Amino acid sequence: GDSVTQMEGPVTLSEEAFLTINCTYTATGYPSLFWYVQYPGEGLQLLLKATKADDKGSNKGFEATYRKETTSFHLEKGSVQVSDSAVYFCALGPSNTGKLIFGQGTTLQVKP
Amino acid sequence: SAVISQKPSRDICQRGTSLTIQCQVDSQVTMMFWYRQQPGQSLTLIATANQGSEATYESGFVIDKFPISRPNLTFSTLTVSNMSPEDSSIYLCSVGAGTDHGYTFGSGTRLTVV
Repeated sequence: GDSVTQMEGPVTLSEEAFLTINCTYTATGYPSLFWYVQYPGEGLQLLLKATKADDKGSNKGFEATYRKETTSFHLEKGSVQVSDSAVYFCALGPSNTGKLIFGQGTTLQVKP
Repeated sequence: SAVISQKPSRDICQRGTSLTIQCQVDSQVTMMFWYRQQPGQSLTLIATANQGSEATYESGFVIDKFPISRPNLTFSTLTVSNMSPEDSSIYLCSVGAGTDHGYTFGSGTRLTVV
């Protein structure tokens, strides 16, 4: 079945460091891909999305490119801030079900 | 995108009791989803609730334990019945216009069963 795998956390970085959180997926068809962020004590917020191969989603300095050939959707940011500390979830939206399938989440801790 | 009001935001409940969680959306939506997030874990879909039909439950979740109502296109409830400590989780509702448009989540209900 469809699935999403994220790199294990926690990821601990210093402020202004470069961030990569790896996400790979297994799916039939042509799913949409998402990154969600969960700040401490809050619900999930959509960070960015891509709906087809080679699309790049971007928001708040974060980027991810839908790579069909490597079945990946890695999240990147050039310079992280303390306020980026949160749990990041990669998710897959199969085209025919309307549901989301989530990865296990990656905790990011950014230290000043 | 839609705005969801979910309540209660948190509750502490005695085992054996039930809790009903409400989600109110500021616009009409066809699909509503209920998820569970166990401590330190990812989100697991409990069921899909469409107005005018019975909810569709995922494997491992049953209607007797998690009854859902969807009386109209802006409102849904999830009840966690006969609770045990294993039900301690965050429960979230979500709405979406389809996988191309992304999904909006409520702020979640943090349930602790003692």
